[in-house]
Formats: sequence, C-alpha cells, structure tokens
Amino acid sequence: GQQVMQIPQYQHVQEGEDFTTYCNSSTTLSNIQWYKQRPGGHPVFLIQLVKSGEVKKQKRLTFQFGEAKKNSSLHITATQTTDVGTYFCAGPGGGATNKLIFGTGTLLAVQP
Amino acid sequence: DVKVTQSSRYLVKRTGEKVFLECVQDMDHENMFWYRQDPGLGLRLIYFSYDVKMKEKGDIPEGYSVSREKKERFSLILESASTNQTSMYLCASSFRSWGNTEAFFGQGTRLTVV
Repeated sequence: GQQVMQIPQYQHVQEGEDFTTYCNSSTTLSNIQWYKQRPGGHPVFLIQLVKSGEVKKQKRLTFQFGEAKKNSSLHITATQTTDVGTYFCAGPGGGATNKLIFGTGTLLAVQP
Repeated sequence: DVKVTQSSRYLVKRTGEKVFLECVQDMDHENMFWYRQDPGLGLRLIYFSYDVKMKEKGDIPEGYSVSREKKERFSLILESASTNQTSMYLCASSFRSWGNTEAFFGQGTRLTVV
C-alpha cells in the first residue's frame, strides 16, 4: 500500500535555530496536508498544498510541495519554544474516497 | 465551535474483552476515521467511513471492526482485546469532497490492555 515517510524522526534544536522536516510518498499525491500535534494534544490542521511546486508561508513556517508531487517539506525559521510538538504530513490514500494517510511524524524539541 | 468527541480519555481493559471506542462529531461530516498512534510509527489508519454504513479498511484493520449506523457516530470495536492493541486511538472527521479537506480530531483515547 501507499507509504508516507518523514525524516528526521526526531530533531532537537536551540531556540532561534531553523528546522526542516521532509515528507516522502511512495506514490504521486494530488494534495498534501500538514498537521501539528502539541505534547499531550491531538493533531491540528496547518495547511494544504495542491499544485506542483507550490510554496505557502504562515509567519515563520514555509511549506513546499515538490515538482513531482511525491514529496513535501516544512521549514520553520528561528524556532520558538511554542513550536514544540510533532509535525505530520498527510496525503490521500488513493481511490475515489477521501481516505487520509499520515506520515510517521517528526518530533521537534526546542531548548530555550 | 467544531467538535469531535471520544467517549473516554483513558481506558483499561483485560485481554480477551470486547472493547467499544465511541466517536461523535457535530459538524455533519461525511468522512470519519480511526487511527492508532504509536511512538515512531506515526498515525496508522485502522478504518475509514465515507458515509453511513460504508467503510474501507485502512492499513491495519486486523483485530478491529467498525460500525457507522448514524452519520455523526463512528465506533471502533476490538473483538477480543490483546496486549498489542495497547495504544492511543484517535478519531477524526472531515467533509467529503473531490480533494481532501481538513480533518478534525478528537482528544484521543489511551487504551491499556492488561
């Protein structure tokens, strides 16, 4: 079946450093979503990318969708302690339905 | 305020018990999902439902079944609980559309099977 992998699995940074997580799919995706899960919380939707090569920004967060629509990245500039959590990408599971397959996630720890 | 509510935050069950996890959403969403979350493995899809009485298997359906008799409610059933089903279970819902739409999650149920 379809697989969505993320690297790294874990990243520890000093506050103010940049952070990037990468998402790779075994199949071409029609769209990709990103979610953030705070410690002890549930995943919360951040953004959806649809077009090949699309780049979207939310304040210090930059999201990219690869040209081949098989990979994506999330970059955080100048991390803050509020960025702590697990970041997941998610893509459609194939077929005509809205099945949603999540990646393995990247846990971000930020040291003040 | 949109809401997905899971019936229990924490649950402890014995091996061999039949376990019901309930999820209710108040957003009139067609799609509902059950995932389990384990460290290092991300969110793995157990079952997906796109309409009342309609379901699709996810990546790890073995040992689980589901029920969707009403649009707002999606139940996950562990037919005979085993210790390897100890995990965090997350329910989610979304609107049905041609592309994916934002999924809203419940607070999760941490199930321990002893």
